[in-house]
Amino acid sequence: ELKVEQNPLFLSMQEGKNYTIYCNYSTTSDRLYWYRQDPGKSLESLFVLLSNGAVKQEGRLMASLDTKARLSTLHITAAVHDLSATYFCAVYNGSSNTGKLIFGQGTTLQVKP
Amino acid sequence: ETGVTQTPRHLVMGMTNKKSLKCEQHLGHNAMYWYKQSAKKPLELMFVYSLEERVENNSVPSRFSPECPNSSHLFLHLHTLQPEDSALYLCASSAYIKRKSTDTQYFGPGTRLTVL
Repeated sequence: ELKVEQNPLFLSMQEGKNYTIYCNYSTTSDRLYWYRQDPGKSLESLFVLLSNGAVKQEGRLMASLDTKARLSTLHITAAVHDLSATYFCAVYNGSSNTGKLIFGQGTTLQVKP
Repeated sequence: ETGVTQTPRHLVMGMTNKKSLKCEQHLGHNAMYWYKQSAKKPLELMFVYSLEERVENNSVPSRFSPECPNSSHLFLHLHTLQPEDSALYLCASSAYIKRKSTDTQYFGPGTRLTVL
């Protein structure tokens, strides 16, 4: 059974600082997604990572994937208040009949001025 | 309207009520999903529909009954719910190729359900 774990689950940081969110998963997968969720809002797709060594960047966020280590990271550079949200990674379970996504617990990021 | 829409956005119901949640996607996708998001728990996949056929049912209690009349619309019919069913219910859609969901899922805003 595919399991996905994120850490930390809660992160409070000062503006301008850098930090990394980690996403570990238990079985082989060739696809990983990062989503953002603002309070009371839906999930917004940030990145899809499709191969080992994949790196994608958008603004102050950069995501990477190491399929051998079964690890993805979401790195935040020089955080700003607007990045405060909950971030989810989701791993594609290709062994299921429908190829479903398994989500991590989410990391709530709070950026303080 | 664009993207994935859901109605109502908020719903309060008693345990004996019957209600329905509606989802509509305007993205030309052919797969739709219902997820349940409870406090402090990962998103739980409930149902998957591909080309209007239910292809996944994740051991969801029968008090939840999905319906997919066409590839753009998805319903979740609710009856005799329990207080522990209170949660945010999210609908999503994606492309669906060769019997598997292969594309990014796009989520609706969700319905916040409270069962009294």
